[in-house]
Order: sequence, then structure tokens, then C-alpha cells
Amino acid sequence: DQQVKQNSPSLSVQEGRISILNCDYTNSMFDYFLWYKKYPAEGPTFLISISSIKDKNEDGRFTVFLNKSAKHLSLHIVPSQPGDSAVYFCAASFSGTYKYIFGTGTRLKVLA
Amino acid sequence: DAGVTQSPTHLIKTRGQQVTLRCSPKSGHDTVSWYQQALGQGPQFIFQYYEEEERQRGNFPDRFSGHQFPNYSSELNVNALLLGDSALYLCASSLAGPYTEAFFGQGTRLTVV
Repeated sequence: DQQVKQNSPSLSVQEGRISILNCDYTNSMFDYFLWYKKYPAEGPTFLISISSIKDKNEDGRFTVFLNKSAKHLSLHIVPSQPGDSAVYFCAASFSGTYKYIFGTGTRLKVLA
Repeated sequence: DAGVTQSPTHLIKTRGQQVTLRCSPKSGHDTVSWYQQALGQGPQFIFQYYEEEERQRGNFPDRFSGHQFPNYSSELNVNALLLGDSALYLCASSLAGPYTEAFFGQGTRLTVV
């Protein structure tokens, strides 16, 4: 049972444009969400998180939006840069658990 | 400030053997979690250690066991290796409280032949 889904395995975007990565979840108990970026041969790197009491969180070029009614979150990267090319994972957790449940990832390619 | 370090980076083992993977958490972190990432999948939670005790366990068989030492470093042990155990094993450290981000090491690539 895949509780966190990233339905787009890959995405290509031109440099300078917006990248939008999507994530859907099924468990309504989730109340904390994170995005990680992973380069080949490296571990995932934390990007940004959002609590369910908010619907938006920004950090520089990265913004995460949370739509609780739709059980959907998205990561916006503006402007996209070639160095952003990586696999992006969304993850979810909830109070009372210590584990993150990850999606299967979206490979982003930013074209120069 | 050293981040999360894991050793070894690569390992090849034969079916039926046992393996031990090691992790040193980020300075200041007291909680260590282990994840398994199969090819094309997201990381899957194996277990978490806090105060030298297993605090939570994912859906993995008893062949997977762990340990946390007083200095917060941790080991993951896998017995009776199967071909399906071939994966990237990731260690993540964090602070003990809820809603804290985990910092990952570079992983150990285990290949079982």
C-alpha cells in the first residue's frame, strides 16, 4: 500500500522556468511533510518541510504548497537551475510515529 | 561539522552471509534511523534507535537488527542475506523530538550475489 505517491517519474524543464513537482498521499493522519533532493552516489538532502497547520512554506527559490482537502502537496522551484537536476522525494509523517514514508521520487532534469 | 557518515560505501556479500553496516550521526543528534532503498524506489524505514533502544520498527524481518552505542553511533546487522537484500542502506540522524528533519548519510551500497 503506497501511502505517498509521486506519479511523475520524470520531469524536464528549461533553465529559468518554474519546476513543479507533485505528491499525493492517502493517509489523513499525516501532518508533517518534507521534500528531499538526491544526487547520484549521495544520500538524500533535506530541502524544505511543511506542517499541516500551514498551506505554504517558502525558502528562497523553493516553495511547498499543501492542499489538505485534496491530500496533495507540491514543490515549486523558481527559477530552475541546472544544478537542481536530481531526484526529488516527498516524505510524510504523523504525530506518534518516528518514521518517514517516502514516495518513489521524481527525476528532474533542468535543461541549460 | 561532520555530517552523517556511513561505512563502508560499497559491499559485496554472498547469499547466507551476515553483514554489519556502521553509522555516525551528525554532531548534536541523538537519534538514528535506518532506511533501505531498492532500485527505483523511495527509502523504506527499517527502524529507529534512541537512547540505545529500538524505538520503532518498520516492516522488516528479524534478520534485520541494530544497535546504538553510548556515543549515539549505530550499527545495522543483516543475517542470512538474500539476493533481495541488495539495496542502498541509508542512515539518518535527527534530534529526538517530533517534526524534526532527518539528515542522511551517503549510504552503503550492498550487493548480495
